[in-house]
Amino acid sequence: RKEVEQDPGPFNVPEGATVAFNCTYSNSASQSFFWYRQDCRKEPKLLMSVYSSGNEDGRFTAQLNRASQYISLLIRDSKLSDSATYLCVVSGGGADGLTFGKGTHLIIQP
Amino acid sequence: GAVVSQHPSRVICKSGTSVKIECRSLDFQATTMFWYRQFPKQSLMLMATSNEGSKATYEQGVEKDKFLINHASLTLSTLTVTSAHPEDSSFYICSAAGDYSGNTIYFGEGSWLTVV
Repeated sequence: RKEVEQDPGPFNVPEGATVAFNCTYSNSASQSFFWYRQDCRKEPKLLMSVYSSGNEDGRFTAQLNRASQYISLLIRDSKLSDSATYLCVVSGGGADGLTFGKGTHLIIQP
Repeated sequence: GAVVSQHPSRVICKSGTSVKIECRSLDFQATTMFWYRQFPKQSLMLMATSNEGSKATYEQGVEKDKFLINHASLTLSTLTVTSAHPEDSSFYICSAAGDYSGNTIYFGEGSWLTVV
C-alpha cells in the first residue's frame, strides 16, 4: 500500500496559468506535511510547510484536509522557473523521518 | 539557515570496491541523520535512520552489512557502500534533524554513485 500518493504528471501548463496538485496520505497519525521542490538531478528543497489552517507564501498556497487525508498545492501566475518536480512529504514529526510521494512533474511552457 | 554538506557529489567506482559518502551538519548539531536513495524517476526511499552514538535503524530490505552507517559525532554521519555492484548506482541523499526548533529537516546536496 502506497503511503503517499501523487499524480506523477507531467503537467504541461502555459506560463501565467494557475496549477494545482493534490496528494493523499494513508497514515492518519501523520503530524507534519510539506511540499518540497526537486530540480533535475538535485536534492529536494523545502518549498513550504503545510498547516491545518492553510498557508500562503507569495504565489504558492498550501492546504491540508485531515478528514480526507490530502494536501494540496496551488501555484498562481506560474513562471518558467516553476518547472520542477514537486514532492509531497509527510512526517510523524521532528526526527521521525519523512515519507515522500513520487512527485508531480510540472512543466511551464512559454 | 541550517546547512548540510554532503561529499562527494559524484563518484565512480569499480564493482567490488567500497565507497564512503560523508554528510556533515555545518551550523547545528544533528542528533538524527537520515540516508535516502533515489533511483531515476523514482521517489526518495529511506534507507536508514541514525542517531548520534548509537546503531542505525535500517528500513526493511536494506542490508545493514552492505550499507554501513556511522554517526560518531553530532556533525558527521557516513554511509559506506561495501562491495558495490552496478545495481547500487543511484543518487544517495542525507538529511539531518537537530537542535533547532520546528520540524524542518535539511538535506545534503546528494551524491551520485556510479558503479562500473
